[in-house]
Amino acid sequence: GQQLNQSPQSMFIQEGEDVSMNCTSSSIFNTWLWYKQDPGEGPVLLIALYKAGELTSNGRLTAQFGITRKDSFLNISASIPSDVGIYFCAGQLTTGNQFYFGTGTSLTVIP
Amino acid sequence: DAGITQSPRHKVTETGTPVTLRCHQTENHRYMYWYRQDPGHGLRLIHYSYGVKDTDKGEVSDGYSVSRSKTEDFLLTLESATSSQTSVYFCAISLDRDQPQHFGDGTRLSIL
Repeated sequence: GQQLNQSPQSMFIQEGEDVSMNCTSSSIFNTWLWYKQDPGEGPVLLIALYKAGELTSNGRLTAQFGITRKDSFLNISASIPSDVGIYFCAGQLTTGNQFYFGTGTSLTVIP
Repeated sequence: DAGITQSPRHKVTETGTPVTLRCHQTENHRYMYWYRQDPGHGLRLIHYSYGVKDTDKGEVSDGYSVSRSKTEDFLLTLESATSSQTSVYFCAISLDRDQPQHFGDGTRLSIL
């Protein structure tokens, strides 16, 4: 299957700090998704991106579709304790209908 | 919350026994998916369905079968469970193949 590399694997930050994470692949994708997963629950969709260069916000979250179409980025501004969780990227190849998921970035926010 | 219900939420069973997990949706979405989630692997697609009685394999389909007799229900069956199938299983739905998927809360399956 396709490999989506998420970086960093884990982050420990102080409340109020900004967060940046990314997702990269060797393949070109036509759709990028970002999800958040809380313990004991399923992933929840945060942002969907459909065009290269697209920048989309959802509250304090902003995601970008990389212009090479091989990467995507998620930023969280002014982090708060409820931002704690695992963030997953997912990408859909141009020629397929399967979404491939990254292995996640675990975020811990220290009050 | 997307109207997705997975049952059971937890199950412990023995190697060699059959296991069936159920996913029920109230959203009338065409596509339904089964994933497994394991540490270090993220979410991996097992099988998916694009309509009643229309299913296809994902990247880790060996040892699993699925059935979809109604739009709202998608069943995942382990005919003879093995310890390597211990995992958390998630059901997801989407309106169409290019639309984002929405997930249920998962079933934690332990095979001893």
